Amino acid sequence: NAGVTQTPKFQVLKTGQSMTLQCAQDMNHNSMYWYRQDPGMGLRLIYYSASEGTTDKGEVPNGYNVSRLNKREFSLRLESAAPSQTSVYFCASSLTGGWGGELFFGEGSRLTVL
Amino acid sequence: QQQVKQSPQSLIVQKGGISIINCAYENTAFDYFPWYQQFPGKGPALLIAIRPDVSEKKEGRFTISFNKSAKQFSLHIMDSQPGDSATYFCAASNTGNQFYFGTGTSLTVIP
Repeated sequence: NAGVTQTPKFQVLKTGQSMTLQCAQDMNHNSMYWYRQDPGMGLRLIYYSASEGTTDKGEVPNGYNVSRLNKREFSLRLESAAPSQTSVYFCASSLTGGWGGELFFGEGSRLTVL
Repeated sequence: QQQVKQSPQSLIVQKGGISIINCAYENTAFDYFPWYQQFPGKGPALLIAIRPDVSEKKEGRFTISFNKSAKQFSLHIMDSQPGDSATYFCAASNTGNQFYFGTGTSLTVIP
Protein backbone atom coordinates (compact mmCIF):
# COMPACT_ATOMS: atom_id res chain seq x y z
CA ASN A 1 0.00 0.00 0.00
CA ALA A 2 2.07 2.94 -1.31
CA GLY A 3 -0.15 5.86 -0.20
CA VAL A 4 1.44 9.11 -1.38
CA THR A 5 4.65 8.80 -3.37
CA GLN A 6 6.95 11.74 -4.10
CA THR A 7 9.91 11.91 -6.44
CA PRO A 8 12.71 12.81 -6.24
CA LYS A 9 13.56 12.54 -2.52
CA PHE A 10 16.61 14.78 -2.85
CA GLN A 11 17.60 17.38 -5.43
CA VAL A 12 20.27 20.05 -5.70
CA LEU A 13 19.73 22.87 -8.19
CA LYS A 14 21.62 25.95 -9.23
CA THR A 15 19.88 29.30 -9.16
CA GLY A 16 17.79 29.74 -12.29
CA GLN A 17 17.40 26.06 -13.08
CA SER A 18 13.97 24.51 -13.37
CA MET A 19 12.59 21.25 -12.07
CA THR A 20 9.37 19.39 -11.41
CA LEU A 21 8.45 17.51 -8.25
CA GLN A 22 6.17 14.59 -8.92
CA CYS A 23 3.45 13.27 -6.61
CA ALA A 24 1.09 10.34 -7.00
CA GLN A 25 -1.51 8.85 -4.65
CA ASP A 26 -3.22 5.50 -4.91
CA MET A 27 -6.05 6.09 -2.42
CA ASN A 28 -8.57 7.51 -4.92
CA HIS A 29 -8.50 10.82 -3.07
CA ASN A 30 -10.13 13.90 -4.54
CA SER A 31 -7.95 16.63 -3.00
CA MET A 32 -4.21 17.03 -3.32
CA TYR A 33 -1.83 19.57 -1.80
CA TRP A 34 1.72 20.84 -1.96
CA TYR A 35 3.32 22.19 1.22
CA ARG A 36 6.77 23.46 2.03
CA GLN A 37 8.34 23.00 5.46
CA ASP A 38 10.94 25.41 6.76
CA PRO A 39 12.48 25.63 10.24
CA GLY A 40 10.39 27.84 12.51
CA MET A 41 7.74 28.33 9.80
CA GLY A 42 5.79 25.11 10.03
CA LEU A 43 4.01 23.79 6.97
CA ARG A 44 2.85 26.37 4.47
CA LEU A 45 0.45 25.60 1.66
CA ILE A 46 1.76 26.38 -1.82
CA TYR A 47 -1.05 25.13 -4.06
CA TYR A 48 -3.91 22.70 -3.75
CA SER A 49 -6.33 20.91 -6.01
CA ALA A 50 -9.76 20.24 -4.58
CA SER A 51 -10.65 17.92 -7.43
CA GLU A 52 -9.35 16.75 -10.78
CA GLY A 53 -9.18 19.68 -13.17
CA THR A 54 -9.01 22.43 -10.55
CA THR A 55 -6.09 24.13 -8.82
CA ASP A 56 -5.93 27.03 -6.38
CA LYS A 57 -3.24 29.13 -4.77
CA GLY A 58 -2.35 28.65 -1.14
CA GLU A 59 -0.36 30.87 1.21
CA VAL A 60 2.94 30.97 -0.70
CA PRO A 61 2.38 30.34 -4.43
CA ASN A 62 4.90 32.77 -5.91
CA GLY A 63 7.61 31.07 -7.97
CA TYR A 64 5.67 27.83 -8.37
CA ASN A 65 3.26 26.27 -10.81
CA VAL A 66 1.21 23.11 -10.49
CA SER A 67 -0.54 20.62 -12.72
CA ARG A 68 -3.25 18.17 -11.70
CA LEU A 69 -2.48 15.67 -14.41
CA ASN A 70 -5.27 13.28 -13.43
CA LYS A 71 -6.93 12.17 -10.22
CA ARG A 72 -3.78 10.38 -9.06
CA GLU A 73 -1.04 12.85 -9.94
CA PHE A 74 -0.24 16.41 -8.87
CA SER A 75 3.07 17.97 -9.89
CA LEU A 76 4.87 21.08 -8.63
CA ARG A 77 7.16 23.02 -10.97
CA LEU A 78 9.84 25.55 -10.16
CA GLU A 79 10.47 27.49 -13.36
CA SER A 80 13.52 29.45 -12.17
CA ALA A 81 14.76 28.21 -8.82
CA ALA A 82 15.94 30.68 -6.18
CA PRO A 83 17.86 30.04 -2.92
CA SER A 84 14.70 31.06 -1.01
CA GLN A 85 13.05 27.94 -2.39
CA THR A 86 15.46 25.69 -0.50
CA SER A 87 13.06 23.66 1.61
CA VAL A 88 11.48 20.30 2.23
CA TYR A 89 8.42 19.85 0.04
CA PHE A 90 5.52 17.63 1.02
CA CYS A 91 2.71 16.41 -1.14
CA ALA A 92 -0.50 15.38 0.60
CA SER A 93 -3.87 14.03 -0.38
CA SER A 94 -7.27 13.89 1.24
CA LEU A 95 -10.52 12.16 0.39
CA THR A 96 -12.32 15.39 1.20
CA GLY A 97 -11.04 18.82 2.08
CA GLY A 98 -11.92 20.90 5.11
CA TRP A 99 -13.86 19.44 8.00
CA GLY A 100 -13.00 15.86 8.74
CA GLY A 101 -10.55 15.59 5.89
CA GLU A 102 -7.46 13.69 6.96
CA LEU A 103 -4.31 14.67 5.11
CA PHE A 104 -2.03 11.82 4.06
CA PHE A 105 1.51 13.03 3.44
CA GLY A 106 4.34 11.69 1.37
CA GLU A 107 7.81 11.39 2.86
CA GLY A 108 9.00 14.67 1.43
CA SER A 109 11.40 15.98 -1.20
CA ARG A 110 14.43 17.86 0.08
CA LEU A 111 15.43 20.60 -2.36
CA THR A 112 18.58 22.69 -2.12
CA VAL A 113 19.07 25.68 -4.41
CA LEU A 114 22.65 26.97 -4.59
CA GLN B 1 0.58 36.27 8.70
CA GLN B 2 0.45 33.09 10.76
CA GLN B 3 -3.14 31.87 10.86
CA VAL B 4 -2.43 29.47 13.71
CA LYS B 5 0.04 30.35 16.48
CA GLN B 6 1.70 27.48 18.32
CA SER B 7 3.82 27.32 21.46
CA PRO B 8 6.25 26.31 22.77
CA GLN B 9 8.74 25.82 19.95
CA SER B 10 10.44 23.02 21.87
CA LEU B 11 9.58 20.98 24.93
CA ILE B 12 11.55 18.56 27.09
CA VAL B 13 9.60 16.25 29.39
CA GLN B 14 10.58 13.39 31.65
CA LYS B 15 9.21 9.95 30.93
CA GLY B 16 5.81 9.62 32.59
CA GLY B 17 5.21 13.37 32.64
CA ILE B 18 2.56 15.43 30.89
CA SER B 19 3.38 17.26 27.66
CA ILE B 20 1.24 20.29 26.83
CA ILE B 21 1.29 22.16 23.52
CA ASN B 22 -0.87 25.21 22.91
CA CYS B 23 -2.36 26.78 19.81
CA ALA B 24 -4.42 29.87 19.10
CA TYR B 25 -6.29 31.11 16.06
CA GLU B 26 -8.22 34.20 14.98
CA ASN B 27 -10.39 33.08 12.09
CA THR B 28 -13.78 32.06 13.50
CA ALA B 29 -14.60 30.34 10.20
CA PHE B 30 -12.29 27.47 11.13
CA ASP B 31 -14.34 24.41 11.97
CA TYR B 32 -11.85 21.56 12.18
CA PHE B 33 -8.75 21.37 14.35
CA PRO B 34 -6.39 18.42 13.81
CA TRP B 35 -3.03 17.64 15.35
CA TYR B 36 -0.31 16.01 13.31
CA GLN B 37 2.75 14.11 14.51
CA GLN B 38 5.97 14.01 12.51
CA PHE B 39 8.99 11.78 13.05
CA PRO B 40 12.38 12.70 11.52
CA GLY B 41 12.56 11.96 7.81
CA LYS B 42 8.85 11.25 7.56
CA GLY B 43 5.77 13.18 6.56
CA PRO B 44 3.31 14.33 9.22
CA ALA B 45 0.53 11.93 10.18
CA LEU B 46 -2.83 12.67 11.77
CA LEU B 47 -2.82 12.09 15.53
CA ILE B 48 -6.16 13.38 16.76
CA ALA B 49 -8.71 16.00 15.72
CA ILE B 50 -11.59 17.96 17.20
CA ARG B 51 -14.51 20.02 15.96
CA PRO B 52 -15.57 23.25 17.73
CA ASP B 53 -18.84 21.95 19.17
CA VAL B 54 -17.02 19.83 21.77
CA SER B 55 -14.65 21.00 24.49
CA GLU B 56 -12.50 17.90 24.79
CA LYS B 57 -11.59 14.78 22.88
CA LYS B 58 -9.51 11.93 24.23
CA GLU B 59 -7.83 9.09 22.40
CA GLY B 60 -5.66 6.95 24.61
CA ARG B 61 -2.95 9.11 26.16
CA PHE B 62 -3.70 12.04 23.84
CA THR B 63 -6.31 14.69 24.66
CA ILE B 64 -7.34 17.85 22.84
CA SER B 65 -8.85 20.61 24.94
CA PHE B 66 -10.78 23.25 23.00
CA ASN B 67 -11.86 26.70 24.20
CA LYS B 68 -14.04 28.25 21.52
CA SER B 69 -14.54 31.61 23.27
CA ALA B 70 -10.79 32.07 23.72
CA LYS B 71 -10.03 30.65 20.26
CA GLN B 72 -7.45 28.34 21.74
CA PHE B 73 -6.85 24.63 21.74
CA SER B 74 -4.19 22.43 23.24
CA LEU B 75 -2.76 18.93 23.04
CA HIS B 76 -2.06 17.03 26.26
CA ILE B 77 0.07 13.90 26.17
CA MET B 78 -0.33 11.96 29.40
CA ASP B 79 2.32 9.53 30.65
CA SER B 80 4.73 10.76 27.97
CA GLN B 81 7.03 8.08 26.53
CA PRO B 82 10.35 8.31 24.64
CA GLY B 83 8.52 7.03 21.57
CA ASP B 84 6.42 10.20 21.66
CA SER B 85 9.52 12.25 20.83
CA ALA B 86 8.57 13.94 17.56
CA THR B 87 7.45 17.26 16.14
CA TYR B 88 3.80 18.12 16.69
CA PHE B 89 1.79 20.49 14.52
CA CYS B 90 -1.60 21.92 15.27
CA ALA B 91 -3.74 22.92 12.32
CA ALA B 92 -7.05 24.53 11.47
CA SER B 93 -9.29 24.21 8.48
CA ASN B 94 -12.53 25.48 7.09
CA THR B 95 -14.70 24.06 4.35
CA GLY B 96 -12.54 25.76 1.76
CA ASN B 97 -10.04 22.91 1.52
CA GLN B 98 -7.19 24.86 3.06
CA PHE B 99 -5.39 23.54 6.12
CA TYR B 100 -3.31 26.09 8.07
CA PHE B 101 -0.55 24.71 10.25
CA GLY B 102 1.19 26.06 13.33
CA THR B 103 4.97 26.38 13.40
CA GLY B 104 5.48 23.09 15.19
CA THR B 105 6.72 21.92 18.61
CA SER B 106 9.70 19.63 18.94
CA LEU B 107 9.00 17.28 21.84
CA THR B 108 11.77 15.31 23.52
CA VAL B 109 10.84 12.79 26.19
CA ILE B 110 13.80 11.88 28.39
CA PRO B 111 13.90 8.28 29.66
